[in-house]
Amino acid sequence: ETAVFQTPNYHVTQVGNEVSFNCKQTLGHDTMYWYKQDSKKLLKIMFSYNNKQLIVNETVPRRFSPQSSDKAHLNLRIKSVEPEDSAVYLCASSYWGGAGTGQLYFGEGSKLTVL
Amino acid sequence: GNSVTQMQGQVTLSEEEFLFINCTYSTTGYPTLFWYVQYPGEGPQLLLKVTTANNKGSSRGFEATYDKGTTSFHLQKASVQESDSAVYYCVLGASRALIFGTGTTVSVSP
Repeated sequence: ETAVFQTPNYHVTQVGNEVSFNCKQTLGHDTMYWYKQDSKKLLKIMFSYNNKQLIVNETVPRRFSPQSSDKAHLNLRIKSVEPEDSAVYLCASSYWGGAGTGQLYFGEGSKLTVL
Repeated sequence: GNSVTQMQGQVTLSEEEFLFINCTYSTTGYPTLFWYVQYPGEGPQLLLKVTTANNKGSSRGFEATYDKGTTSFHLQKASVQESDSAVYYCVLGASRALIFGTGTTVSVSP
């Protein structure tokens, strides 16, 4: 049963446009993540937040910015998309220390296509 | 730094055949390792977990063995079904995020 909800599921846009992806979890977790999955299925961590505080900020272009209003929501904004941003963006949540227990819960993903 | 390597990008099997996926990792200390599975159209989900304490884990007919000496972590299943078709990730538990391997796409034909 899905408990990490992502919208939109698909988005097609032109180079230079702005895009936002929303994520909400109903599991009561305090930590949320954004991962990027490329066309070869490679999954890489982008950001993580714990109780609205940025914890992990991997080397991603500055046009990517996460936004957290509370511990149940973590959005991702891309200010001016580039072709290499085409990917599936996966949101996940866990309790603090989830990276150690391995129990992350993922949404179904938001697929971005940049023309 | 932390890294995980899966050499097999694609594995194609028939039902009831044996599945074996190899994984090697690089990190400091003794990590906790996981296998995640991603079915088509879904997000990844935890399949099983292995710690340095027990060296083995199992779930849903899958078994994983952890070898500290060779820093390897294998996944196997004795008899696969078509429903096992998915992408399998070897995952390293780091302090603040999970580090995913490159993934192995398993295709099982009836």
